[in-house]
Amino acid sequence: AQSVTQPDIHITVSEGASLELRCNYSYGATPYLFWYVQSPGQGLQLLLKYFSGDTLVQGIKGFEAEFKRSQSSFNLRKPSVHWSDAAEYFCAVGEVGGNNRKLIWGLGTSLAVNP
Amino acid sequence: DGGITQSPKYLFRKEGQNVTLSCEQNLNHDAMYWYRQDPGQGLRLIYYSQIVNDFQKGDIAEGYSVSREKKESFPLTVTSAQKNPTAFYLCASSIVRTSLGDEQFFGPGTRLTVL
Repeated sequence: AQSVTQPDIHITVSEGASLELRCNYSYGATPYLFWYVQSPGQGLQLLLKYFSGDTLVQGIKGFEAEFKRSQSSFNLRKPSVHWSDAAEYFCAVGEVGGNNRKLIWGLGTSLAVNP
Repeated sequence: DGGITQSPKYLFRKEGQNVTLSCEQNLNHDAMYWYRQDPGQGLRLIYYSQIVNDFQKGDIAEGYSVSREKKESFPLTVTSAQKNPTAFYLCASSIVRTSLGDEQFFGPGTRLTVL
């Protein structure tokens, strides 16, 4: 069965520091991968997605992610974190299964930013 | 502006009462989804629908019901059979394409509290 693992439940970084959030997936074929962000009490917003092609994808708010098939990973990065980046981050993978349109979600990583 | 609306934002219910959460989208998306979110548990799929008048159970459908009479609307009823309904509920929608893992767009959520 497909699965998504976000190994870090909570991460704290200082403002201006670089950030990397990890995401590992289990999938039989080429996956469709997503990163979403959620501010407290809000819905989720898509940061970026990977469907095919260039394995380094750029997203909104200065985020990028790299698809590494050999490591089954899709880690999210940002070179310099801003206080407004404090939020919950979710990785998701598109599932195969007939006409199935479900996404499989990781449990999320909570990011705190120190001033 | 196109988007997904959920109402109300906050909802209080007495034990033993059914309650219906509204979700409307004007994105002309075919598929709609309901998720439940609890602290530390990520997003869990309750029901989803890929076409009008059809829907499928997700991972935690017990105690919930849905209808899809119109493309734009996918209301969720939390019944008295749901043992622990206090949670944050998110509605999402997506285009159904021949590709997999269509990105989902989210509403702002409804926080349900059972008193």
